[in-house]
Amino acid sequence: DAGVIQSPRHEVTEMGQEVTLRCKPISGHNSLFWYRQTMMRGLELLIYFNNNVPIDDSGMPEDRFSAKMPNASFSTLKIQPSEPRDSAVYFCASRPRGGSYEQYFGPGTRLTVT
Amino acid sequence: GESVGLHLPTLSVQEGDNSIINCAYSNSASDYFIWYKQESGKGPQFIIDIRSNMDKRQGQRVTVLLNKTVKHLSLQIAATQPGDSAVYFCAENPDNYGQNFVFGPGTRLSVLP
Repeated sequence: DAGVIQSPRHEVTEMGQEVTLRCKPISGHNSLFWYRQTMMRGLELLIYFNNNVPIDDSGMPEDRFSAKMPNASFSTLKIQPSEPRDSAVYFCASRPRGGSYEQYFGPGTRLTVT
Repeated sequence: GESVGLHLPTLSVQEGDNSIINCAYSNSASDYFIWYKQESGKGPQFIIDIRSNMDKRQGQRVTVLLNKTVKHLSLQIAATQPGDSAVYFCAENPDNYGQNFVFGPGTRLSVLP
């Protein structure tokens, strides 16, 4: 199993540009989570999906952030327009149906907005 | 992806010694807790979990203790090895559905040779 796959691993962009982060969850997992990690705020849950449906997006910082999950094997997190304060590491995680609540994290995308 | 936390609490232990990492959680209604390990350049990785109806759970070289009275968790690592060097997070689940976890700030464990 390849684990959760995220792309790109690193993204550097200029303020005002659109940024799209991508995630492929582990096959068979039915829950998907997007997190942001910064020095100041630690690891924060942005949004999560169950069976491709967004369940809780209360952690999304503002309307510049949006997330989609068009099918069970793909999700995107988009920031438009990006700002320097969006610089962080963004993690995607997935969880299998039932049983343990363990979430399997991807390697993350380090986003730098200049 | 990389671990963050230049200002994280740091615990330094000698290789072979036991480590104890502490965590205070915030919500008395939380009923499930997980410890994660995050190595540099990687995402968090599950170590061990515990439900609120237990006060102790053991895994391989790790033990988690839960004190609900004072809302405190600890992770004990026996015979600490260099590969244990990482940032350790506790996460609590306050919503009874096992989805929305709140992560603690983390503790950096450094294993000295």
